[in-house]
Amino acid sequence: QQPVQSPQAVILREGEDAVINCSSSKALYSVHWYRQKHGEAPVFLMILLKGGEQKGHEKISASFNEKKQQSSLYLTASQLSYSGTYFCGTASRPGNTPLVFGKGTRLSVIA
Amino acid sequence: DVKVTQSSRYLVKRTGEKVFLECVQDMDHENMFWYRQDPGLGLRLIYFSYDVKMKEKGDIPEGYSVSREKKERFSLILESASTNQTSMYLCASQSGMGSDTQYFGPGTRLTVL
Repeated sequence: QQPVQSPQAVILREGEDAVINCSSSKALYSVHWYRQKHGEAPVFLMILLKGGEQKGHEKISASFNEKKQQSSLYLTASQLSYSGTYFCGTASRPGNTPLVFGKGTRLSVIA
Repeated sequence: DVKVTQSSRYLVKRTGEKVFLECVQDMDHENMFWYRQDPGLGLRLIYFSYDVKMKEKGDIPEGYSVSREKKERFSLILESASTNQTSMYLCASQSGMGSDTQYFGPGTRLTVL
């Protein structure tokens, strides 16, 4: 079952914050976040594993709520370089199982 | 740095042609994947492989086949290309740990006329 991402698109001014959500109807073991710039390959941002751990990466961080079966990606003090499409990929169990990706959230940061 | 390469960035083929998309990774990863990416639909899994000569169907395998004769190479085959297979095709590789990150290639934009 494909996870649902929200919002579908968001426009920010430089310095503003944003939250991107990823919700699943299935219990999750891991959530993977990627960013894809136009014409480029998706680039890995971070993985969150079962345990409700929050992770950080520069001014981008994420949380994972197992009970709610959702993850949120937080972008603070956004920069122009944050523009792109953000995807979450989910796995319902450990081990070799393919990720199921959401449809993506298009983020545009303007000056 | 992990490197995943794909044989072509852009490809134009005619309906009915047999099409080969090649993917090579240089990190000795066990797992390899083929996705197609269409506007508004995100990344959809076509086929994946956890070992040489092993393949599993993903969510949308119809009209595609794959081949993995060597660990580093995973090929996607369109036996008889159709216009609805016009898309961006992305290959990815991953270590055998399953919960490790996937590394994506640059993609092949295929147009079927």
